[in-house]
Amino acid sequence: DVKVTQSSRYLVKRTGEKVFLECVQDMDHENMFWYRQDPGLGLRLIYFSYDVKMKEKGDIPEGYSVSREKKERFSLILESASTNQTSMYLCASSLAPWSYNEQFFGPGTRLTVL
Amino acid sequence: AQTVTQSQPEMSVQEAETVTLSCTYDTSESDYYLFWYKQPPSRQMILVIRQEAYKQQNATENRFSVNFQKAAKSFSLKISDSQLGDAAMYFCALEGTYKYIFGTGTRLKVLA
Repeated sequence: DVKVTQSSRYLVKRTGEKVFLECVQDMDHENMFWYRQDPGLGLRLIYFSYDVKMKEKGDIPEGYSVSREKKERFSLILESASTNQTSMYLCASSLAPWSYNEQFFGPGTRLTVL
Repeated sequence: AQTVTQSQPEMSVQEAETVTLSCTYDTSESDYYLFWYKQPPSRQMILVIRQEAYKQQNATENRFSVNFQKAAKSFSLKISDSQLGDAAMYFCALEGTYKYIFGTGTRLKVLA
């Protein structure tokens, strides 16, 4: 079974802190994603990566950056956390981009910025 | 712009009955893929069913089936013989070139 893991289930940070959210997948998937999930807004794509060191902005990239140095690991970085970044963050991976392949999701990280 | 709309924030169904969740979308691409994902309470999101846009035949997975109307840009999910374990948030999703769009979700309650 594909497993997507995220470094933390719950995280509390202070405004202005630099925050790292880590995601690891174990099935050699090409594609990796970061979404944020908010009530009434569904899932919104922040960034995705279709190859190592390749990244593309999603619909809401402002205030975020990403890093993919190794194929199995995709990190989301909040350079200076703000209260409006309090949310559930979901990582996902899929075998290949723009295809019939399903996305496999991690358990999510609930981030609170105080 | 590509969009996915789920107009039903919440729905209820009696156990063993049938329920249909609606999803409409908009895209200018001719080749795309549609998905329904399920997110049970406090559990990970999983795939329910998927459809390739160029295939006219509606996808079916056990008790789950879709009604794909390409011209109308509609992709509804039908759950037959509903079970308590079907209670979850359901998300409709569209995948195109460089695009991954999810709807706002429908919370399904299953009544015993």
